[in-house]
Amino acid sequence: NAGVMQNPRHLVRRRGQEARLRCSPMKGHSHVYWYRQLPEEGLKFMVYLQKENIIDESGMPKERFSAEFPKEGPSILRIQQVVRGDSAAYFCASSPPRQVATDTQYFGPGTRLTVL
Amino acid sequence: AQSVTQPDIHITVSEGASLELRCNYSYGATPYLFWYVQSPGQGLQLLLKYFSGDTLVQGIKGFEAEFKRSQSSFNLRKPSVHWSDAAEYFCAVGVSNFGNEKLTFGTGTRLTIIP
Repeated sequence: NAGVMQNPRHLVRRRGQEARLRCSPMKGHSHVYWYRQLPEEGLKFMVYLQKENIIDESGMPKERFSAEFPKEGPSILRIQQVVRGDSAAYFCASSPPRQVATDTQYFGPGTRLTVL
Repeated sequence: AQSVTQPDIHITVSEGASLELRCNYSYGATPYLFWYVQSPGQGLQLLLKYFSGDTLVQGIKGFEAEFKRSQSSFNLRKPSVHWSDAAEYFCAVGVSNFGNEKLTFGTGTRLTIIP
């Protein structure tokens, strides 16, 4: 059973370009979370999605950032007009459909975004 | 709002020595608590978790953690560390009625192992 997959693992963009980060959850998982880790810091929650629905986007910057989890295909975190401050590691996590209150989030290897 | 504090930014331990990493949380309801480990350039791996029941939980790689409600703590311990334990360790609290729609992480403790 493959784990959470993220691609690309490393992404370099120039200021003003767009960055698209992809996350394929574990098989059978329908909940996806995105977190951002700035250098020398812990992970910060950005957004929580279920298939075709954004459940909680309280950690998402109001501008330039968007996320989706379509019915088919991976979840996408999109950053428009990137700035140097967007340089960070972006982690995706997934969990199964919530039937009991003991589900665990499983993390992918992350995408390291560098903005030049 | 919930928060997690890991007071030790960096800890150095000799191989074979015991280890305790501190974690304090702030949350109004019953917390769901996790310890994750991150090796350089890698994602996070779950070491152990506490949801309810026995306050001493066992995890992978010989780690354990004890939930102490009176101290709002969830410290991670290992009786004898190995060189491969060198990594960054994150404590996290899950927030929601169902457990963990959103994790709040501490800033991490970097563990260095010396021969």
